[in-house]
Amino acid sequence: EAQVTQNPRYLITVTGKKLTVTCSQNMNHEYMSWYRQDPGLGLRQIYYSMNVEVTDKGDVPEGYKVSRKEKRNFPLILESPSPNQTSLYFCASSVMQGTYGYTFGSGTRLTVV
Amino acid sequence: KNEVEQSPQNLTAQEGEFITINCSYSVGISALHWLQQHPGGGIVSLFMLSSGKKKHGRLIATINIQEKHSSLHITASHPRDSAVYICAVPKTSGSRLTFGEGTQLTVNP
Repeated sequence: EAQVTQNPRYLITVTGKKLTVTCSQNMNHEYMSWYRQDPGLGLRQIYYSMNVEVTDKGDVPEGYKVSRKEKRNFPLILESPSPNQTSLYFCASSVMQGTYGYTFGSGTRLTVV
Repeated sequence: KNEVEQSPQNLTAQEGEFITINCSYSVGISALHWLQQHPGGGIVSLFMLSSGKKKHGRLIATINIQEKHSSLHITASHPRDSAVYICAVPKTSGSRLTFGEGTQLTVNP
């Protein structure tokens, strides 16, 4: 089944403790991206990747890192999480950015205390 | 002013009603996306369109590039259509997506 797999689904952590949210797709998609969703602010793009070893900032990249060492994986790294990063996170992939549909992961609900 | 604006923000309908959700945008685009977010949180891509009209089952999406406006219609609405509907457009560079705030649709039986 074609899908984007995110893990974990739920995570509660403490301020400053490094964490990684994994994202993997099995569709050989070129484009992958991360979003956060907050009440009243909607979805906002954090980082995206057009292909292996090519990543770029979205609208809200501060406090996050990403890497794209393999085509299928695009992990989101929070080096020193803070409470303002408490949010619902989504990973998505697409054949190519812009003119193709997106496949979204199931989401990761992160709470930083 | 947001680059992508949706209306209405909230919509309650009775089963069987025809529903329209609107999306206006101010940036130049190559395509517009309609997404559906279920109460459990999962997001599904419904349509990607760059001109004209697309239909999938009871859902119809239209776009007017000149007027920078798109509509999502649901015919014969059903309670299972209850969800948040989100429109999204790539910015001019094509590399970033900007999202509307979403329309919360509730269809009552």
